[in-house]
Amino acid sequence: AQSVTQLDSHVSVSEGTPVLLRCNYSSSYSPSLFWYVQHPNKGLQLLLKYTSAATLVKGINGFEAEFKKSETSFHLTKPSAHMSDAAEYFCVVSEEGGSEKLVFGKGTKLTVNP
Amino acid sequence: DAGVIQSPRHEVTEMGQEVTLRCKPISGHDYLFWYRQTMMRGLELLIYFNNNVPIDDSGMPEDRFSAKMPNASFSTLKIQPSEPRDSAVYFCASSLIGWEGLGNEQFFGPGTRLTVL
Repeated sequence: AQSVTQLDSHVSVSEGTPVLLRCNYSSSYSPSLFWYVQHPNKGLQLLLKYTSAATLVKGINGFEAEFKKSETSFHLTKPSAHMSDAAEYFCVVSEEGGSEKLVFGKGTKLTVNP
Repeated sequence: DAGVIQSPRHEVTEMGQEVTLRCKPISGHDYLFWYRQTMMRGLELLIYFNNNVPIDDSGMPEDRFSAKMPNASFSTLKIQPSEPRDSAVYFCASSLIGWEGLGNEQFFGPGTRLTVL
């Protein structure tokens, strides 16, 4: 069965420094992968999506992620953090077999310090 | 489109009372999902529908929980009777199967924060 592991439950960066949120996935087929963001007291919003068209995926607000099959990774990056990036980030994989179900990681809370 | 609409946004009730959460998916979407989010368990899928038909309810915690989708534009999640451990944020999401096939984006509502005293 597919799964995702977010390697850090909390990440803290200073404003203007790079962001790296790590995600490894487990899947027996070529998966669809997503990153969602949840700001405090809000719903989840899609940041970006990988569906095998290109290994480097660009999302909203300057975020991007690279799909690396050899490493089974899908890390999320941003060159320069803004205060508004403080939120919880979820790495997500689609369930195999044609199901519409998504499998969510446990989340990484990003703190951005002034 | 207004996005996925959920009501109420906040609900406070006493143990033993019936609670009904409501969701209006994005028009034209053919999948609807109910999730529960807590600090301890994270985000859990409770049930999902395709074209108003329940497909997988294996995440529904127990018989006190039930969900219906009487038409393409409305779904309810009911808890009867409610218990303090049901306190959580409940999200509704919808999606549309596209030409890419599996792995389609889900659009989330703002959630209902339920507190059971």
